[in-house]
Amino acid sequence: DVKVTQSSRYLVKRTGEKVFLECVQDMDHENMFWYRQDPGLGLRLIYFSYDVKMKEKGDIPEGYSVSREKKERFSLILESASTNQTSMYLCASSPGYNEKLFFGSGTQLSVL
Amino acid sequence: DQQVKQNSPSLSVQEGRISILNCDYTNSMFDYFLWYKKYPAEGPTFLISISSIKDKNEDGRFTVFLNKSAKHLSLHIVPSQPGDSAVYFCAASSGAGGKLIFGQGTELSVKP
Repeated sequence: DVKVTQSSRYLVKRTGEKVFLECVQDMDHENMFWYRQDPGLGLRLIYFSYDVKMKEKGDIPEGYSVSREKKERFSLILESASTNQTSMYLCASSPGYNEKLFFGSGTQLSVL
Repeated sequence: DQQVKQNSPSLSVQEGRISILNCDYTNSMFDYFLWYKKYPAEGPTFLISISSIKDKNEDGRFTVFLNKSAKHLSLHIVPSQPGDSAVYFCAASSGAGGKLIFGQGTELSVKP
């Protein structure tokens, strides 16, 4: 069965901390994505990657960076966490273009 | 600029009746549309999709209709069940970019 695993379900960090959100997929998918979900705003794309070591900015990349050193792993990095980055973060993967996305369970991040 | 819009934040329906969730889009290049369902504290799960070459796709109790001239799609759930209570997101992509753009979501409540 398809599996996208996010390392933490809940995370509490302080303003200014560097935060790493990890995501691993076991489906050998080419594409991986990071979204954030906020009430009334839906899911907004932060970054995505079509291949190892490749990354593309999504709609709201400011304050974030990503790393994809291996095909199965896609990390989201908050260089200096701020309170407006408190959100639900969702990782997803897909086998290719115009294919459905498979999502992880999400990480609820609170920045205090 | 919101390319995919779900104008109803919430919908309440009686068990056994039809639920109709609506979605509008602005980008005429979109050629693949999907609906996702999300329970609290879980990642979204794929429900049903439709390609722009079709105007209807059915899967059990779920039917998606696409009206390309109006740039509108809808999800029909018949009959609605209490377990259908969740947030529903519509999403769209174009072959050129491949990334999914999501709407804001509609929270469906099916009352027994």
